[in-house]
Amino acid sequence: EVQLVQSGAEVKKPGESLKISCKGSGYSFTNYWMDWVRQMPGKGLEWMGSIYPGDSVTRYSPSFQGQVTISADKSISTAYLQWSSLKASDIAVYYCARRVAAAGTRWFDPWGPGTLVTVSS
Amino acid sequence: DIQMTQSPSSLSASVRDRVSITCRASQSISSHLNWYQLKPGKAPKLLIYAASSLQGGVPSRFSGSGSGTDFTLTISSLQPEDFATYYCQQSYGAPFTFGPGTKVDIK
Repeated sequence: EVQLVQSGAEVKKPGESLKISCKGSGYSFTNYWMDWVRQMPGKGLEWMGSIYPGDSVTRYSPSFQGQVTISADKSISTAYLQWSSLKASDIAVYYCARRVAAAGTRWFDPWGPGTLVTVSS
Repeated sequence: DIQMTQSPSSLSASVRDRVSITCRASQSISSHLNWYQLKPGKAPKLLIYAASSLQGGVPSRFSGSGSGTDFTLTISSLQPEDFATYYCQQSYGAPFTFGPGTKVDIK
């Protein structure tokens, strides 16, 4: 079974750094893009960016470029999303999702359960 | 960036009702359109990919149609477990934008 397991909820102060994780299992981790999606409280889904763990190539949405860093450690089948200095506006649930490419198109499946990040002084 | 809109933003329906949600792209995306279901506290779930292909394990009461700029998700007979928020997503090109969502709740 293909599964994504995300790290637990985090409570941080403004200005602190944070790295959350997403561990894939049940498939060849290096052969699929991993995407990150944000859902702010009461809001919709926003695509942040992605990484191809096979060669660590990354792509970012212009809205998130420079705000977060996406990385991966293929030796442990884990992708990461990190912040160097959190802001209150980073409060959200962050989902990872495996991107499947087939039949000339692509979709996200499965998704992780999400990591809630709270930033409060 | 490709902008996605959905209508309605919310709807109230009863069990066994037929429900349709519309998604529109700001430019042609061929059939690069996916539908997801979100429930609070749970991982988002892929329902439909490539506009009309039903993901394995998803009940056949869900169906998708459309191409180009206009798409529809239809639930033929709403079940209690279908009360959720539904999002469309274009996968034509990055950034892979989502629609604003349609919340389906109980009438």
